[in-house]
Amino acid sequence: GAVVSQHPSRVICKSGTSVKIECRSLDFQATTMFWYRQFPKQSLMLMATSNEGSKATYEQGVEKDKFLINHASLTLSTLTVTSAHPEDSSFYICSARPRGRGGRSPLHFGNGTRLTVT
Amino acid sequence: ELKVEQNPLFLSMQEGKNYTIYCNYSTTSDRLYWYRQDPGKSLESLFVLLSNGAVKQEGRLMASLDTKARLSTLHITAAVHDLSATYFCAVDDGSNYQLIWGAGTKLIIKP
Repeated sequence: GAVVSQHPSRVICKSGTSVKIECRSLDFQATTMFWYRQFPKQSLMLMATSNEGSKATYEQGVEKDKFLINHASLTLSTLTVTSAHPEDSSFYICSARPRGRGGRSPLHFGNGTRLTVT
Repeated sequence: ELKVEQNPLFLSMQEGKNYTIYCNYSTTSDRLYWYRQDPGKSLESLFVLLSNGAVKQEGRLMASLDTKARLSTLHITAAVHDLSATYFCAVDDGSNYQLIWGAGTKLIIKP
């Protein structure tokens, strides 16, 4: 149980275009999902907390107009990288916890999206 | 501000040996998680430690939590090559169920 599906797994796009990444909780509801970014050989960097039905909470230094987050339902959050630049190339990972279990359940992670901007 | 420190950051060891990875954190928390990440892959949950003195074991890995010392350990017994990966500890910050992450320990186990 507690499967998180992330799509696409890899995407290559040209500078200036936008890319949408989807994160779905397949067998549980998640009022909160988290979007992370990971650079090579580094730990995870939390970008934003996605809240169902309300605005996302962005971490300091993360541009909310560049990384658009929409959490339209209890099972789907999307991250759109707008006007992508090569420096946006990274590994993006979403995660979620089953609703109602508070902090007693681990975060479950999607398989990640490798974004390459040319 | 909650900070999480892992050490060592890099560990190269021989198969069959035992070793321990340490995870220290700076403020009170009773929720600590261990994850494994293989190269190019996402994270896999290994252990959830929710109380002082908690000990969990899965195969050759054993994790423990001492909330008074603010320390968790991940012990590897008789290491095998398949355990080569990067291991992260993460601590719940108690506010919005966010996790504060350690820097990760890259473990290489040589045959």
